[in-house]
Amino acid sequence: RKEVEQDPGPFNVPEGATVAFNCTYSNSASQSFFWYRQDCRKEPKLLMSVYSSGNEDGRFTAQLNRASQYISLLIRDSKLSDSATYLCVSPYSGAGSYQLTFGKGTKLSVIP
Amino acid sequence: DAGVIQSPRHEVTEMGQEVTLRCKPISGHNSLFWYRQTMMRGLELLIYFNNNVPIDDSGMPEDRFSAKMPNASFSTLKIQPSEPRDSAVYFCASSPTLLTSGIVSTGELFFGEGSRLTVL
Repeated sequence: RKEVEQDPGPFNVPEGATVAFNCTYSNSASQSFFWYRQDCRKEPKLLMSVYSSGNEDGRFTAQLNRASQYISLLIRDSKLSDSATYLCVSPYSGAGSYQLTFGKGTKLSVIP
Repeated sequence: DAGVIQSPRHEVTEMGQEVTLRCKPISGHNSLFWYRQTMMRGLELLIYFNNNVPIDDSGMPEDRFSAKMPNASFSTLKIQPSEPRDSAVYFCASSPTLLTSGIVSTGELFFGEGSRLTVL
């Protein structure tokens, strides 16, 4: 089974800071990737999709480096409400099955 | 619109007891997933269904675990007998996208709020 690796953190950053997380994946055939956000004791929710080199949505930028097989998530101007665990997701396809493999997540704490 | 509905939200049981977790996916979604989340192992896929048919159950830990989807609006995950190491949060998720090899997925899974299981 293909793996997705993330730095568990925690990343403790002050409000307004810029923070970046990386995620490495082992399935070189994957075409698309995703970042999910999970608040404490809540369910994961889709944050962003990355289909080509990158994607930007407001303060959030996701980038894909296929040569090095990693995905990054950049958060600019961090808000207290950004505090959560960020899960990197890579599709896995093989033996007639297709599924999403989740990393263990990177915990972010934005402090006042 | 109602999201994915799971029950029970919390369950505390004793080792050896049977546990049944229930899930109602979002209407119209044709894929349903059962995940388990622990601090040590993160989110692990247990099994997923497409159009009510189990596609991949390779993540089911052992024979004590079983899952069914008798119709498009209901699924169960059963653990019998339960053990303390089964303690985890069990998430059900559904997707409107046909997830089979060769088809690009939106990657969006809609998760329920989870069932927090504690086996004593």
